[in-house]
Amino acid sequence: SQQGEEDPQALSIQEGENATMNCSYKTSINNLQWYRQNSGRGLVHLILIRSNEREKHSGRLRVTLDTSKKSSSLLITASRAADTASYFCAPREGAQKLVFGQGTRLTINP
Amino acid sequence: DAGVTQSPTHLIKTRGQHVTLRCSPISGHKSVSWYQQVLGQGPQFIFQYYEKEERGRGNFPDRFSARQFPNYSSELNVNALLLGDSALYLCASSLVPQWGYTFGSGTRLTVV
Repeated sequence: SQQGEEDPQALSIQEGENATMNCSYKTSINNLQWYRQNSGRGLVHLILIRSNEREKHSGRLRVTLDTSKKSSSLLITASRAADTASYFCAPREGAQKLVFGQGTRLTINP
Repeated sequence: DAGVTQSPTHLIKTRGQHVTLRCSPISGHKSVSWYQQVLGQGPQFIFQYYEKEERGRGNFPDRFSARQFPNYSSELNVNALLLGDSALYLCASSLVPQWGYTFGSGTRLTVV
């Protein structure tokens, strides 16, 4: 199993702005998943993108995947206070365990 | 439809004691994983079970053990508690291990 590395570690933006966070990984994958964690709570699965997909949308979320660069990005458009959370990526090779990095701590300022 | 439920939600134990944490997966989910999350860090993998068999174990001492029951619920046991075991313990279930996981809200364990 491999760990994704999220970047930046922390991000602070104004409400209404877009937030972009990145994930890099080292070896080939079957899919890559993004999760959100509100303070002290469980993680919430946001989106799964397969290795043969380049972009995926879900509401205000847009995920891209570049397998040649071994990287993914998560874009949150028109941010809201409720988007304040930590965001984790999890690159998957198969059925192995999910491995999480430190995540990106996103703060939306009113 | 109930999500992943964990019990208890909060727990305070003394060093040296033993603790059992419980997890009920989403109905139909056969894969259960356990994670430990220390404040300020990402979740660290402890165990994965699928169809009642252990499918993965993280880098945790033998004081940590787990099992999965015929109804796919799971228990995490920690013996001889240390102060460093204080953390949020998360359980996650999945219909298929390769797909997305649904996490419970966790058990906050404090060791004093």
